[in-house]
Amino acid sequence: SYELAQPPSVSVSPGQTATITCSGDNLGDKYVCWYQQKTGQSPVLVMFQDMKRPSGIPERFSGSNSGNTATLTISGTQTMDEADYYCQVWAGGEVFGGGTKLTVL
Amino acid sequence: QVVESGGALVHLGGSLRLSCAVSGFSASDYYMDWVRQAPGKGLEWVGRTRNKPNEYITEYATSVEGRFSISRDHSKNLVYLQMTSLKGEDTAVYYCTKVGQYYGSHAFEVWGQGTKVTVSP
Repeated sequence: SYELAQPPSVSVSPGQTATITCSGDNLGDKYVCWYQQKTGQSPVLVMFQDMKRPSGIPERFSGSNSGNTATLTISGTQTMDEADYYCQVWAGGEVFGGGTKLTVL
Repeated sequence: QVVESGGALVHLGGSLRLSCAVSGFSASDYYMDWVRQAPGKGLEWVGRTRNKPNEYITEYATSVEGRFSISRDHSKNLVYLQMTSLKGEDTAVYYCTKVGQYYGSHAFEVWGQGTKVTVSP
């Protein structure tokens, strides 16, 4: 079965750039989605088809995908961006990464 | 929006049916999926019912295949998740989602608030 690997945690200072990675075999051949889940809330789609932002998602969120790694980048990170982030792809079934806890401090 | 209900405390080996009430759009036009999250853990895809053009075909994760089934009530715009032979590892918050279809991928665009299922020994 296909697996996606994410770092368990990432820390960033307010105003700096946060980079969250998602790795999988030939991941660049697939389209990746990203979800944000704040504590006690349901997940929210923040990126689809690698680099497309749904309506209402701030421009500071961007995505890329090449080779074996997809990346979610948050420029000018704000304290409100503190959350768990999950990547997801279709691989014969929907597959999620294990999630990355983003801490903004 | 989508609103889940039916979560409860159930014994090992028991059964439970979750409901997902859809409003603001016709569920028949969309793939509708269930995703779960065990306590303190990440997201896990449970299964899918495709849309009307795709004959409402269902697909399931290996972990629930043969035990869980997804169905629809078209007249009520409802989606169901029937769970049988429940195990401890099925304990989770279950989310109903509206799926956006894009070239080469699916995106979980709308999530409900979730309904909690606890399987006790």
